[in-house]
Amino acid sequence: GAGVSQSPSNKVTEKGKDVELRCDPISGHTALYWYRQSLGQGLEFLIYFQGNSAPDKSGLPSDRFSAERTGGSVSTLTIQRTQQEDSAVYLCASSPASGGAYNEQFFGPGTRLTVL
Amino acid sequence: AQTVTQSQPEMSVQEAETVTLSCTYDTSESDYYLFWYKQPPSRQMILVIRQEAYKQQNATENRFSVNFQKAAKSFSLKISDSQLGDAAMYFCAYRRDDKIIFGKGTRLHILP
Repeated sequence: GAGVSQSPSNKVTEKGKDVELRCDPISGHTALYWYRQSLGQGLEFLIYFQGNSAPDKSGLPSDRFSAERTGGSVSTLTIQRTQQEDSAVYLCASSPASGGAYNEQFFGPGTRLTVL
Repeated sequence: AQTVTQSQPEMSVQEAETVTLSCTYDTSESDYYLFWYKQPPSRQMILVIRQEAYKQQNATENRFSVNFQKAAKSFSLKISDSQLGDAAMYFCAYRRDDKIIFGKGTRLHILP
């Protein structure tokens, strides 16, 4: 595709339900990032995938959050037993490779999650 | 730990005027990258400009330029000839290897 896509665009759920957010990175990009953007805040790093390496999960706020990346492409962020404080925009970004001089991150449009 | 601080939550500028957005960061590293991203209401983060720390020359991209002061750990963004389409949230970001840290953003309003 032309860019990073995310689905759904918006998700409203009830407290305690599980949700899955999807990210389709740019084809060929080996690095994939998930961020959370709460109202009035910057981007908070959640998790990072690079090729076949073990993901960097250091930003996940609790064990209710998990993510996987199948076949080095599509990624799913899962939030179990959602809480109201999980309400935020979840952004995904992909990059051609890690490190390097011009490895720009390309962002998707995000998923706005609202937990009632 | 590295931090990125944007001290101006909101700013306004008259159309066609020049505005400067501030960013400071804290790091003990000497080799890193700095970025400014724009996030319009569509939520799409767009890279505006980037700077390699080892380069002394300030980066420029058309109407956008930076003032990179490495010793002061300052990385401000100057927007010249402001246009209505420049209205957005602007985020300063620091990158070292695979970790990228964002500031909390500055909301820029363009006054017609």
